[in-house]
This record gives sequence, structure tokens and C-alpha cells, in this order.
Amino acid sequence: KQEVTQIPAALSVPEGENLVLNCSFTDSAIYNLQWFRQDPGKGLTSLLLIQSSQREQTSGRLNASLDKSSGRSTLYIAASQPGDSATYLCAVPNYGQNFVFGPGTRLSVLP
Amino acid sequence: DGGITQSPKYLFRKEGQNVTLSCEQNLNHDAMYWYRQDPGQGLRLIYYSQIVNDFQKGDIAEGYSVSREKKESFPLTVTSAQKNPTAFYLCASTGEGEKLFFGSGTQLSVL
Repeated sequence: KQEVTQIPAALSVPEGENLVLNCSFTDSAIYNLQWFRQDPGKGLTSLLLIQSSQREQTSGRLNASLDKSSGRSTLYIAASQPGDSATYLCAVPNYGQNFVFGPGTRLSVLP
Repeated sequence: DGGITQSPKYLFRKEGQNVTLSCEQNLNHDAMYWYRQDPGQGLRLIYYSQIVNDFQKGDIAEGYSVSREKKESFPLTVTSAQKNPTAFYLCASTGEGEKLFFGSGTQLSVL
């Protein structure tokens, strides 16, 4: 069964810093990986979807990379802002049947 | 606008009562999912359906039931057999190779 971990569990940074969130998965036979943002009491919002044929995807200040062979993905957030404060989760397909989520990284960006 | 609608936003269950959470999507997605989220924890899969009139148990299906009579709808019933139902419930859907889309969630509490 696919297992997903995320490091760190929580992160607190001052506004303006660049930061990296990490996601690891045990089975490299995935066809995509997705990063999500969750605000307290809300549903998940998709940030980036990386197909297995791609190495990275960019959207604004966000950049996600995927290394299938090592079972890792990173989410890079440039010039962090207080509005970026949220929990960030990654998810991978589980043998094409459903999706497995990591436990998330809780980010606080201090003004 | 296309999307996923979950209702109600808040739901209260009395002991011994069954309650049903609604999930409707107009994205023409074949696959739909129900996840449970407990405070400070990740998402756990309850049930999923990849096609109308077919569904599979996830990791924590005991005490829950679903139906998929229409492509657009995937209701979840929390039965009296679920002894610890208090949680945040999230519905999601996706098309082949597409992003996973989430509803805004239902918070279920026990009276």
C-alpha cells in the first residue's frame, strides 16, 4: 500500500522568506502527484498537479518538483506572505484506484 | 460554475441515528471519493466509486454506507454502528488524468 510522509510537520517563518516543503512516497509507480492547500475548516484547494512525465510545475510563486525514482516531491514557495499560512498536503494515486494523502505541513508566515 | 457541492455544512447526530451527507458534482467526473479528517490529522479514505452503480470500501468503511445511482451524486450515510462519527467529512471527484477537486466539507458532531 502506498504510504506518504511530509516533512516538516510544522514550519514558522518571517514574511519574505523562501521555503521548501517535502513529500515522500513509497511506491514510485505513480502517474501524477498533487499539492493542495487547506485553510482551517475548509476543503482542499489544488495548487499544482505534476504528471509523471514532468519534472516540475510552476504557478506564480509556487514551484513543485517530482523525482519518481527517489520517491520525492518538493514544493518551493518564494517570497512567503502571511496569506500563505495554511496546511499544505501532497497526494499520490494508490495503484490507480484512489489517492493517498500525506499528513500535511502546517505553515505559519509571520508579518 | 463547475464544482462540488457538499451539504449541509454542519450536521448533528443523536445517538442511534443514521445521518446522510450529500455530495453533488457537475464536473462530469466518473470517480468520486469520501474522506474523513480528524483534528490535526490527515485524510483517511472511507469509500470511493469509479463508475455509476459501483463502489469500493476504503481504509475505514465500517459504520458507513454509500450509493452511486447517478454520476453526479455520491451520498454518504453515517450509521449508528459508527461509534465515533465526530469529524470533518470531505468529498472529492476527478476525471482521468485530471486534478482532484474537493467540496467545502461537512462537520459532523454528536449531540
